[in-house]
Amino acid sequence: AQTVTQSQPEMSVQEAETVTLSCTYDTSESDYYLFWYKQPPSRQMILVIRQEAYKQQNATENRFSVNFQKAAKSFSLKISDSQLGDAAMYFCAYRSAKGGSEKLVFGKGTKLTVNP
Amino acid sequence: DTGVSQDPRHKITKRGQNVTFRCDPISEHNRLYWYRQTLGQGPEFLTYFQNEAQLEKSRLLSDRFSAERPKGSFSTLEIQRTEQGDSAMYLCASSLYLDRGYGYTFGSGTRLTVV
Repeated sequence: AQTVTQSQPEMSVQEAETVTLSCTYDTSESDYYLFWYKQPPSRQMILVIRQEAYKQQNATENRFSVNFQKAAKSFSLKISDSQLGDAAMYFCAYRSAKGGSEKLVFGKGTKLTVNP
Repeated sequence: DTGVSQDPRHKITKRGQNVTFRCDPISEHNRLYWYRQTLGQGPEFLTYFQNEAQLEKSRLLSDRFSAERPKGSFSTLEIQRTEQGDSAMYLCASSLYLDRGYGYTFGSGTRLTVV
């Protein structure tokens, strides 16, 4: 079974600075998808960025980028120019690309605090 | 389209009572998922539907839990004889079959407290 590990329960960053959230995963599959989701307090979970395992190029979405290291099974999220609105729980998630397997496997999350 | 809607937002129930939650997915999404999130944890998969067919169930989904999606649109999740361990946030999400790599759209969840 696949597992996702987020080793940083909490992180903090100063507004306008850069922060990196760590995620490692364990799988025997070669084709899969990885995601970072953001969950603000009392609000719905929102997809931040996704990565297909077969793509070597790291995904970027505006201020958000990932460092995908397939051999190391590492998938970190970098947030540049942090804003107060980035404060939230961030979850790393894995999804198999195998047909018939639809579930997302989540890590325990990292709580990000942005200090003004 | 207003996204994925869940009702109610909060539910407090006494142990032993039955509760039912509703999820309305994005209208064109044919896949619907239920997850459970306890405090300090990431969401855990419970079950998913493609149209009205329930295609996968987690071992977390005990006999006291049942989910339906009768017409391939909204879904209900019922918990019978609730226990304190059922206290959690129940999240619904939906996706379009062809967009397998695009993640899901989540609802805001139903927070269940069993007293």
